[in-house]
Amino acid sequence: GIQVEQSPPDLILQEGANSTLRCNFSDSVNNLQWFHQNPWGQLINLFYIPSGTKQNGRLSATTVATERYSLLYISSSQTTDSGVYFCAGSQAAGNKLTFGGGTRVLVKP
Amino acid sequence: GAVVSQHPSRVICKSGTSVKIECRSLDFQATTMFWYRQFPKQSLMLMATSNEGSKATYEQGVEKDKFLINHASLTLSTLTVTSAHPEDSSFYICSAGMGAEKYFGPGTRLTVT
Repeated sequence: GIQVEQSPPDLILQEGANSTLRCNFSDSVNNLQWFHQNPWGQLINLFYIPSGTKQNGRLSATTVATERYSLLYISSSQTTDSGVYFCAGSQAAGNKLTFGGGTRVLVKP
Repeated sequence: GAVVSQHPSRVICKSGTSVKIECRSLDFQATTMFWYRQFPKQSLMLMATSNEGSKATYEQGVEKDKFLINHASLTLSTLTVTSAHPEDSSFYICSAGMGAEKYFGPGTRLTVT
């Protein structure tokens, strides 16, 4: 199966700062998602982005499918952005998602 | 987006007993659901794929006789942890897909004493 590597593993930000999280895949994926896991454990869907660029408020994501990586951008970070960010991918639409190790983000006021 | 629910959200049971966790897709039908387990400060690890009307597919290293999965309808999958032991204590999360995008339930925190 595919391997998913996320970097950095931990990130400490001052409120208002911008940051970039990266996700690398060992093989091509046809489906790619970014999630934010809140303190209660709920996974919140951020982006479904097998290719291209999407933006949602202060968050945006870019996937370069041919180079097997995806980036998540957080701009003007807020304390509520704290939590763990996961990327996950699969090689077919109905297939199981394989998760990366996550990036633990702490935004300080 | 689609909504996936889980019940219970938290359960404490004694060693040797069995626990059933329900996963429901509330506003869509799901022929396939997925069960994950997450230990503290770790990522999600897939346990099994639940297929409506047929047997579940388990990942390598997951005991199918210990983690019984039933997917009896297009909106409900259940995971039963049989003869639970303290090492089964974990956060269990289910997932279902609407199209290619997957949605996750809020999770069930299992503590075995």
